[in-house]
Amino acid sequence: AQSVTQLDSQVPVFEEAPVELRCNYSSSVSVYLFWYVQYPNQGLQLLLKYLSGSTLVKGINGFEAEFNKSQTSFHLRKPSVHISDTAEYFCAVSDNGGSQGNLIFGKGTKLSVKP
Amino acid sequence: DGGITQSPKYLFRKEGQNVTLSCEQNLNHDAMYWYRQDPGQGLRLIYYSQIVNDFQKGDIAEGYSVSREKKESFPLTVTSAQKNPTAFYLCASSGDRFGGDQPQHFGDGTRLSIL
Repeated sequence: AQSVTQLDSQVPVFEEAPVELRCNYSSSVSVYLFWYVQYPNQGLQLLLKYLSGSTLVKGINGFEAEFNKSQTSFHLRKPSVHISDTAEYFCAVSDNGGSQGNLIFGKGTKLSVKP
Repeated sequence: DGGITQSPKYLFRKEGQNVTLSCEQNLNHDAMYWYRQDPGQGLRLIYYSQIVNDFQKGDIAEGYSVSREKKESFPLTVTSAQKNPTAFYLCASSGDRFGGDQPQHFGDGTRLSIL
């Protein structure tokens, strides 16, 4: 069965600094990968997704992620963060190799951007 | 604008009471999902439905029930058998019931507490 591990539960960072949020997955089949963002008391919004092709994926709000099949990782990066990026970020992988719409989510990483 | 509407935003349950959380979507999506979110636990799948009049149990279905009589509606009932119902509940939908490549769209959630 697939699983997703987000290695850091909390990441504090100063404004305008770069950030990397780490995500590793386990799967014996090809997968689709997603990053979502959740602001307090709201639902999740899609940041970006990897389906196939280029391993570097660009998303909204200046975020990007790199798919690394050999390391089974899909780390999220931003070169310069803003206060408004403070939120919780979730990595997700498609269940059952993408044969249906179910997703497996990691436990989330809380990004705290300080002035 | 198309989207997912969850109501109510806040809900309180008395001991022994069943409560129903509403989820409506106007995205014409086939698949709908219910998740439970607890602090530090990520999202856990309660039930999902890939098509009208059909639904499947997720990882934590005990104490919950659903129905899918219309494509746009997927209500969740938290029964008295669910002994720890306090959580944030998220409803989601995706366009293709067979497509793991389809991102899920989320509502803004319902926060359920015990009185």
